[in-house]
Amino acid sequence: DTEVTQTPKHLVMGMTNKKSLKCEQHMGHRAMYWYKQKAKKPPELMFVYSYEKLSINESVPSRFSPECPNSSLLNLHLHALQPEDSALYLCASSQEHSGRVDNEQFFGPGTRLTVL
Amino acid sequence: LAKTTQPISMDSYEGQEVNITCSHNNIATNDYITWYQQFPSQGPRFIIQGYKTKVTNEVASLFIPADRKSSTLSLPRVSLSDTAVYYCLVGEEADKLIFGTGTRLQVFP
Repeated sequence: DTEVTQTPKHLVMGMTNKKSLKCEQHMGHRAMYWYKQKAKKPPELMFVYSYEKLSINESVPSRFSPECPNSSLLNLHLHALQPEDSALYLCASSQEHSGRVDNEQFFGPGTRLTVL
Repeated sequence: LAKTTQPISMDSYEGQEVNITCSHNNIATNDYITWYQQFPSQGPRFIIQGYKTKVTNEVASLFIPADRKSSTLSLPRVSLSDTAVYYCLVGEEADKLIFGTGTRLQVFP
């Protein structure tokens, strides 16, 4: 199984809602990532988890809260988002977060988020 | 991380070879060059990676000159399904991907 799955595929939420994005992989990877991608822009790294511990937070606002319950699952909890947070949220995984140059990342299909 | 510059867009026809060049003048000694492909509403997909000279896999070839200040992704005999955005990334740490603007390739029948 070389797939990263993300749920839901689409999400519409109001600015006062609390919602969560989910990501799952069963490749035995120990590093997992969240990216944000606006329309016609490249993906931007948000968070990196290595061995279930947060290792990189790219100065993301606190209304985004990541969680890694186990090595296969990654969540992104959303609260009090703004309309400008509407984007495609991508999850990825790799064998490990070791700095190895051949550490290919596998991406999921993303969750299309719309904040009203 | 070295900054990369790619053409914003390219057009091609089915069956042609497509070469996408990426400039990375400030590439460091330990940096590798990696290319990802992204279809609309999908996550990026790893295509190829190299350090110098030429690398070839079942999908593409990557040409890197001796000075390593640029690289060229070569897609042989493209088809409509190769229409996508192609990103060139340069860095030592493959874990921290910094995507540039990418090249939007449109393949016509």
